[in-house]
Amino acid sequence: GAGVSQTPSNKVTEKGKYVELRCDPISGHTALYWYRQSLGQGPEFLIYFQGTGAADDSGLPNDRFFAVRPEGSVSTLKIQRTERGDSAVYLCASSLGFRAGELFFGEGSRLTVL
Amino acid sequence: DAKTTQPNSMESNEEEPVHLPCNHSTISGTDYIHWYRQLPSQGPEYVIHGLTSNVNNRMASLAIAEDRKSSTLILHRATLRDAAVYYCILREETSGSRLTFGEGTQLTVNP
Repeated sequence: GAGVSQTPSNKVTEKGKYVELRCDPISGHTALYWYRQSLGQGPEFLIYFQGTGAADDSGLPNDRFFAVRPEGSVSTLKIQRTERGDSAVYLCASSLGFRAGELFFGEGSRLTVL
Repeated sequence: DAKTTQPNSMESNEEEPVHLPCNHSTISGTDYIHWYRQLPSQGPEYVIHGLTSNVNNRMASLAIAEDRKSSTLILHRATLRDAAVYYCILREETSGSRLTFGEGTQLTVNP
């Protein structure tokens, strides 16, 4: 079956530009997560949705980062006024619900800010 | 989130068992122990999780110390495809499925 799908797989942008990263979770998964991973580090939590609402956005680094999930399925991570320090792999994961034991991750979107 | 401590790297030979240790001395009674692994250029992949009892699945076994302050992920016969970063993570039951990753153990498997 289809896993978590993330697009684009690679994005190169210039400092100051706006970027959108898309995540298509596994069908029927109500929980969706965004993580960010810098080279040589473990993934860092950004935000978590249960259904359409953000249940925990405590990991978003600042107000340039925003995520939505308007219909409780596809989610978009939006980054305004990108900075070089935003360069990382952005990972999306989904799970069956709030306390599901297993998260399923996508392959990530690699963002490079020049 | 309670912290875990893992060795930065380990090596194994193909077809031999691998024991990946994890210390979590500040674990609370409601923390589950999760293991994920990440192959190069891929997202993390669930391996196994447990609370108190040892657990087995098709990928690995999880041995949990009686005091729960440490655990060991056991790969029974390492293959070259098992070369990855292995993360030991504590997840508090009440925090839902949010996972806090550390830096993990880089496992190298020699042919």
